[in-house]
Amino acid sequence: GAGVSQSPSNKVTEKGKDVELRCDPISGHTALYWYRQRLGQGLEFLIYFQGNSAPDKSGLPSDRFSAERTGESVSTLTIQRTQQEDSAVYLCASSSLLAGGLYNEQFFGPGTRLTVL
Amino acid sequence: GEDVEQSLFLSVREGDSSVINCTYTDSSSTYLYWYKQEPGAGLQLLTYIFSNMDMKQDQRLTVLLNKKDKHLSLRIADTQTGDSAIYFCAESPSTGKLIFGQGTTLQVKP
Repeated sequence: GAGVSQSPSNKVTEKGKDVELRCDPISGHTALYWYRQRLGQGLEFLIYFQGNSAPDKSGLPSDRFSAERTGESVSTLTIQRTQQEDSAVYLCASSSLLAGGLYNEQFFGPGTRLTVL
Repeated sequence: GEDVEQSLFLSVREGDSSVINCTYTDSSSTYLYWYKQEPGAGLQLLTYIFSNMDMKQDQRLTVLLNKKDKHLSLRIADTQTGDSAIYFCAESPSTGKLIFGQGTTLQVKP
C-alpha cells in the first residue's frame, strides 16, 4: 500500500478483555516497530521485528502484551486481560534496511486509540 | 541507558524564530531525529542529522548537534501559525528503534 495502515482506528473495551491491534506496513519494508503513546506523553518503544522475528522485545510492559508478524508483512499486537493503564494510542511504523545494516526512515501509521473502561 | 529530555512548552509570536532543545544519553545513536505531530494527524518526520555532523539546514529548519554535550536543537525560522504542533526529538540506538522525548508543544501566536 501507499503507507502504513492500522486497524481499528478506535477500540473501546472493558477491563479484563483481550484486544488485537493490526498493522499493515509499507510493502517491502523488512523492519516493523510498535510504539505506545499515552495521553500527553512521548512515544514508548514496545517491540521491533526484522522480518518475522523479534530481536528486541524490551519495551513490552508485561507478559499480557505479545506481538507476532507473519509473511514479513502484517503484524498483530495482542493485549490480554486489558487494564485501564493500557489506554493509549498504539502506533506502528515500518522501515527498510539500508546497506551496511543501517535503517532508513520510519514511516508511521495513524495509530489505534485504545480505551479501556 | 536510553533517555531523551525536552522542555514541554514553547510559545512564540508569528514571524519570530523558535528554538526547541533536546538532550539525549545514548552516544551510539547514528541518527537523531525531529518529528512533528499535529492534532488528528500522524507523526511526520521533519528532519534528521547524522551523528558525525554538527549542523544541518533544510529551508526554514536548522538542526544543531553538540555531540560532546549530547544536545540537539531545532530552530524554525520565521515561525508560522501552521507550525503549531508537538515536536519530538528522537535518538536511534543500534536496533533502529526510536527513543522519543516527551515532546515540546509549540504555540505560535498571531
